[in-house]
Amino acid sequence: RKEVEQDPGPFNVPEGATVAFNCTYSNSASQSFFWYRQDCRKEPKLLMSVYSSGNEDGRFTAQLNRASQYISLLIRDSKLSDSATYLCAVKNYQLIWGAGTKLIIKP
Amino acid sequence: NAGVTQTPKFQVLKTGQSMTLQCAQDMNHEYMSWYRQDPGMGLRLIHYSVGAGITDQGEVPNGYNVSRSTTEDFPLRLLSAAPSQTSVYFCASSGGLNNEQFFGPGTRLTVL
Repeated sequence: RKEVEQDPGPFNVPEGATVAFNCTYSNSASQSFFWYRQDCRKEPKLLMSVYSSGNEDGRFTAQLNRASQYISLLIRDSKLSDSATYLCAVKNYQLIWGAGTKLIIKP
Repeated sequence: NAGVTQTPKFQVLKTGQSMTLQCAQDMNHEYMSWYRQDPGMGLRLIHYSVGAGITDQGEVPNGYNVSRSTTEDFPLRLLSAAPSQTSVYFCASSGGLNNEQFFGPGTRLTVL
């Protein structure tokens, strides 16, 4: 079993829809959690850190469920510009990365 | 601030050749790392450094060497390139309260 797992997708979603991604992790001692966005042929960039109480940044909401060992990312009112690959990263001693979920927003 | 810079952007090598991928950051971050990214595999850690003079192996270190003589620079050396090392290589640095990782633009390496 991989330490961090994501649904590879792609998720094909119409513009304006709500889309949710999950990311499961195996190490219960993991301390920090992140969502990154990676555009095609570009470097990953931090989208949001994920806090225990959940956090929101505009149309994006991140949540952590320690009991079930997963983090989630919710995108509301999706835009064409949200099309990208979304990577989750989980830190214990080192950052461990999921393989990413590709999101395609269709007009 | 330039952030994290990497050179070259693209490189084609023949099997057995050696080369150095350059990485520099101007954010005074102590932690720097090298990843490779392959389709469907996610980012895999090659080597990392927690400060000048200190390096350690990550998940996939074989075939690669690193050194950290200054805080700013963290070059990655391929000793004898193999086709299995065809990949996209990212350098990253992190620091600060949030410990966010900042990535360079990547080097696309093809080994023939």
